[in-house]
Amino acid sequence: KAGVTQTPRYLIKTRGQQVTLSCSPISGHRSVSWYQQTPGQGLQFLFEYFSETQRNKGNFPGRFSGRQFSNSRSEMNVSTLELGDSALYLCASSPLGQNTGELFFGEGSRLTVL
Amino acid sequence: AQSVTQLGSHVSVSEGALVLLRCNYSSSVPPYLFWYVQYPNQGLQLLLKYTSAATLVKGINGFEAEFKKSETSFHLTKPSAHMSDAAEYFCAVRLLTGNQFYFGTGTSLTVIP
Repeated sequence: KAGVTQTPRYLIKTRGQQVTLSCSPISGHRSVSWYQQTPGQGLQFLFEYFSETQRNKGNFPGRFSGRQFSNSRSEMNVSTLELGDSALYLCASSPLGQNTGELFFGEGSRLTVL
Repeated sequence: AQSVTQLGSHVSVSEGALVLLRCNYSSSVPPYLFWYVQYPNQGLQLLLKYTSAATLVKGINGFEAEFKKSETSFHLTKPSAHMSDAAEYFCAVRLLTGNQFYFGTGTSLTVIP
């Protein structure tokens, strides 16, 4: 079974631009979560999607948004990029129906904002 | 609000020595507990998980963790450190309902030859 796939793996943007990151979950997984990882803050929860609906949202400004498609693939978008948005963005999927299930992570998209 | 505390953002051990990484959680109801490992430029990989079965959980690569309700702890141990264990380790909790995870800030493990 293929793992969680995130694209692109690395990208460089400048302040004020926007960026879209993509995540393909493990086949059969219907829940997709996004996390921002920075050296000082650890993993910060962005949002979780299930069946194309956002179920949970972390404490991030409205510049951060996401969506999920009918095939469970997900995208997140960050508009008006700031220097502080430089981070590793991790996507994770999980198979709902297993209450004890863990998250399965992709390798991340490393965003650098100049 | 849930919180997960990992004591020690950096831990160094000698090769062959005991590894002990500490994790405490704040939930009044024992949640599901997880340890993940992250190698450089990679995502997080599950080491082990506690889901209210046995309190001593064995994971991959010789790691194990013990759930202690009275101490609200879930410390990770390995009897003998190997160079390949050098990585970032994250403790996480998931409540009994819902699908939201809460992560600690991570512990960077260095193994000294």
